[in-house]
Amino acid sequence: EPEVTQTPSHQVTQMGQEVILRCVPISNHLYFYWYRQILGQKVEFLVSFYNNEISEKSEIFDDQFSVERPDGSNFTLKIRSTKLEDSAMYFCASSEEVLGGDFPLHFGNGTRLTVT
Amino acid sequence: GNSVTQMEGPVTLSEEAFLTINCTYTATGYPSLFWYVQYPGEGLQLLLKATKADDKGSNKGFEATYRKETTSFHLEKGSVQVSDSAVYFCALSDNTGGFKTIFGAGTRLFVKA
Repeated sequence: EPEVTQTPSHQVTQMGQEVILRCVPISNHLYFYWYRQILGQKVEFLVSFYNNEISEKSEIFDDQFSVERPDGSNFTLKIRSTKLEDSAMYFCASSEEVLGGDFPLHFGNGTRLTVT
Repeated sequence: GNSVTQMEGPVTLSEEAFLTINCTYTATGYPSLFWYVQYPGEGLQLLLKATKADDKGSNKGFEATYRKETTSFHLEKGSVQVSDSAVYFCALSDNTGGFKTIFGAGTRLFVKA
């Protein structure tokens, strides 16, 4: 069964450094997302992306965050200057064509980001 | 705005016990409702879904019915197994723009042999 893959599985960085989290969504999916989960708590929406542009973003997704689909397979999340509170598990997800509100998400296994 | 509220955990049950995890929602429009499951060290996986009122989603012995009158989508299973131990998330999504899915806080389930 096709799956979403994320790399790396764990990223440690120093405060103020830039990080790029990488994702390869399922190949025939058209909609891409980033979510984060802090210490096993609530899963928080960051951003959705379709047709090479952001569809919606949350309050968390400020100017320090950006997303890109640099080629036909990768989908990246960049944090320009990391803060301690950015430490979390970051999940990439993708979905097929959206019909109304019916778009089940397919998640990767996540990248654990630790900011020291 | 839209929101999802689910019962706090953890829930601890013995094998073969009956499971109910409550979920209620607030939404404008006509959302689709989902249950996702997260096993240790993994991402979330879709467990079941329902896209309109009175629909029942089911999978692997789990069921949930979309109740518009009570704005609820409670998860049930008649006989749990140790392998069902995981965190369960109720979620909703709609087409009001942006393709955004909102998750509840998650309920951790422990099943003892």
